[in-house]
Amino acid sequence: AQSVTQLGSHVSVSEGALVLLRCNYSSSVPPYLFWYVQYPNQGLQLLLKYTTGATLVKGINGFEAEFKKSETSFHLTKPSAHMSDAAEYFCAVTKPLTGANSKLTFGKGITLSVRP
Amino acid sequence: KAGVTQTPRYLIKTRGQQVTLSCSPISGHRSVSWYQQTPGQGLQFLFEYFSETQRNKGNFPGRFSGRQFSNSRSEMNVSTLELGDSALYLCASSLSAGSYEQYFGPGTRLTVT
Repeated sequence: AQSVTQLGSHVSVSEGALVLLRCNYSSSVPPYLFWYVQYPNQGLQLLLKYTTGATLVKGINGFEAEFKKSETSFHLTKPSAHMSDAAEYFCAVTKPLTGANSKLTFGKGITLSVRP
Repeated sequence: KAGVTQTPRYLIKTRGQQVTLSCSPISGHRSVSWYQQTPGQGLQFLFEYFSETQRNKGNFPGRFSGRQFSNSRSEMNVSTLELGDSALYLCASSLSAGSYEQYFGPGTRLTVT
């Protein structure tokens, strides 16, 4: 079975500061990994994904994440936080190349607050 | 290209009633997945449909069911509603079966009283 752990439920940073949201996964096979963002009263928007190849992946809005197999991690970073980044962020995993590609397993989510 | 649409956006039902939620995928997308989002359990996979067939199912009781039509639109039904069914129900569409890149709709907020 797969699982995703997002430590902490809330992260607060100052505008312009580094954003670091942690994600660790457990999977019996090499996984596909995703970060989604959810703004209030909206659905989920895909920020970035890792499937194969380069382990550092860049996404939208200046976010990036690095797949580290040895640490079973996929942490999300952004060099400089903007007020508009305040939202809830979800890490997700799925098993590739199986009949369950579309079945995403999500972490509990982290709420990011950005202070002026 | 229009995104995933879900109707209704908000719904209030009474315990014991049943409810039907609708999802229209992005044009050209043929796979639809449903997720339940609650503060306590987070985001949980309900089921996935492709070509009018259920391909995958999560760990939910039989009160939760779904279907997909020939135009790829999907509905999910919850019978005998319980207070714990109050949640945001999200629909996601993808190009084909087994496609991992999913696009989510805004969700239907169901409140059971």
